[in-house]
Amino acid sequence: GDSVTQMEGPVTLSEEAFLTINCTYTATGYPSLFWYVQYPGEGLQLLLKATKADDKGSNKGFEATYRKETTSFHLEKGSVQVSDSAVYFCALSDVLIQGAQKLVFGQGTRLTINP
Amino acid sequence: DTGVSQDPRHKITKRGQNVTFRCDPISEHNRLYWYRQTLGQGPEFLTYFQNEAQLEKSRLLSDRFSAERPKGSFSTLEIQRTEQGDSAMYLCASTHPPAKQGNTGELFFGEGSRLTVL
Repeated sequence: GDSVTQMEGPVTLSEEAFLTINCTYTATGYPSLFWYVQYPGEGLQLLLKATKADDKGSNKGFEATYRKETTSFHLEKGSVQVSDSAVYFCALSDVLIQGAQKLVFGQGTRLTINP
Repeated sequence: DTGVSQDPRHKITKRGQNVTFRCDPISEHNRLYWYRQTLGQGPEFLTYFQNEAQLEKSRLLSDRFSAERPKGSFSTLEIQRTEQGDSAMYLCASTHPPAKQGNTGELFFGEGSRLTVL
């Protein structure tokens, strides 16, 4: 079945450092791809998404590009802040019955940013 | 209505007891999902409802688990005869009908119900 593999954490960086969190996927079709973020004590929130090859999703300074040739959707940010400390999940959409979709998640990457 | 609401947020129970979790989705969302998240892992799909119909169940959902959505609004997830391996965060998510969401698959999650089985 479809699956997502993420860079293992935890990742610790200093403020203003460049961030990359790797994500690769295996899918039989052409899924939509997502990054969700889970801040301490909060629920999962959508960070960004891309629905087709070469699309770039972006939000809050984060970017990820849907690369079909490498089956990847790496998350990047040019200058991280302490407030970016959270757990980041890469996910793809998989088709269910009657055209509904479910998300298949990677295992998550915990990011800590030190001042 | 600002988001998906789950209750209780935390539940501690003894092995063998039954527990029930409730999820209130965003009001105009007809699609509702339950996921389970164990420590250090990503959420895993459990089951999916479209309106009141339960259309798909994961193999993770053993016969001790039952989910309902009787009127197509709120949903409940019951675990009977809990085991220590059931300890996890149970997440509910909802989403628009496909015409509204553009079939991207984006889900809106609640904050989860954390279960600890002693």
